[in-house]
Amino acid sequence: DTEVTQTPKHLVMGMTNKKSLKCEQHMGHRAMYWYKQKAKKPPELMFVYSYEKLSINESVPSRFSPECPNSSLLNLHLHALQPEDSALYLCASSQRPRGGSYNSPLHFGNGTRLTVT
Amino acid sequence: DAKTTQPPSMDCAEGRAANLPCNHSTISGNEYVYWYRQIHSQGPQYIIHGLKNNETNEMASLIITEDRKSSTLILPHATLRDTAVYYCIAVSNRDDKIIFGKGTRLHILP
Repeated sequence: DTEVTQTPKHLVMGMTNKKSLKCEQHMGHRAMYWYKQKAKKPPELMFVYSYEKLSINESVPSRFSPECPNSSLLNLHLHALQPEDSALYLCASSQRPRGGSYNSPLHFGNGTRLTVT
Repeated sequence: DAKTTQPPSMDCAEGRAANLPCNHSTISGNEYVYWYRQIHSQGPQYIIHGLKNNETNEMASLIITEDRKSSTLILPHATLRDTAVYYCIAVSNRDDKIIFGKGTRLHILP
C-alpha cells in the first residue's frame, strides 16, 4: 500500500472517449507530479503542480489535460488519445515548504495502467 | 539536471551485499543524489539521498565520493524482494524537474 492513491488501477478506452485519471494524497504535500511509463522504460515527467499551480509542462500534447482542484487531488483528463499513449501513468507527491528548497523525496502511487484501443 | 550513468543490469547472490554504482561526473553543487527503486508493477519507491556525506537508513547506505562525481548504493544483505530496477538521479534543490535515467536492473539470485 502507498500513501498516494491512484484510481482506476486499470483503464481501457477508445480513441474517441474522454476519461480522467485521479490521484489523491493526504500527507500535506504541496507538489504533485504526473509521469508516463512505457514498458521496460524509465518514468517520463509530464507535469508538475506546486501549490496548485502548474509549474512544469514537459511539452505534453494537449490531449492530456492536468488539473489540480485542491492540495490533495490531482487529475489527468484524457481526450482523443492514440494507441501509442497506452502506458502506466504514475502520480507522485512531495513536500514543498513555502520558500523552502525543493529537496524532498517523491512518494509515488502504483499507477493507472491505460490501454487505448 | 546532471546526467547519471548506471550499468544496465547486475546480479547479486541472496544474503550478500549489493553494491550499485552511479556516475554523475557533471553534478553541480546544488544537486543531491537520490536513489529510487521500482519493483515490477509498482510505482518507484524512495530509498535514500545525500549531498556530500555518506548516508545510512533502514533500507540502504549511500557512499558519495569526495569529488561527488560518483556514488554507490549499498544494500547490506540482499533478499529476493530486492529484485528491482534501481534509479540514481541528480536532483536540483532549485526546481521540480526530476528526470529518471535508465537505471540498473538488479537480479538477486537464490
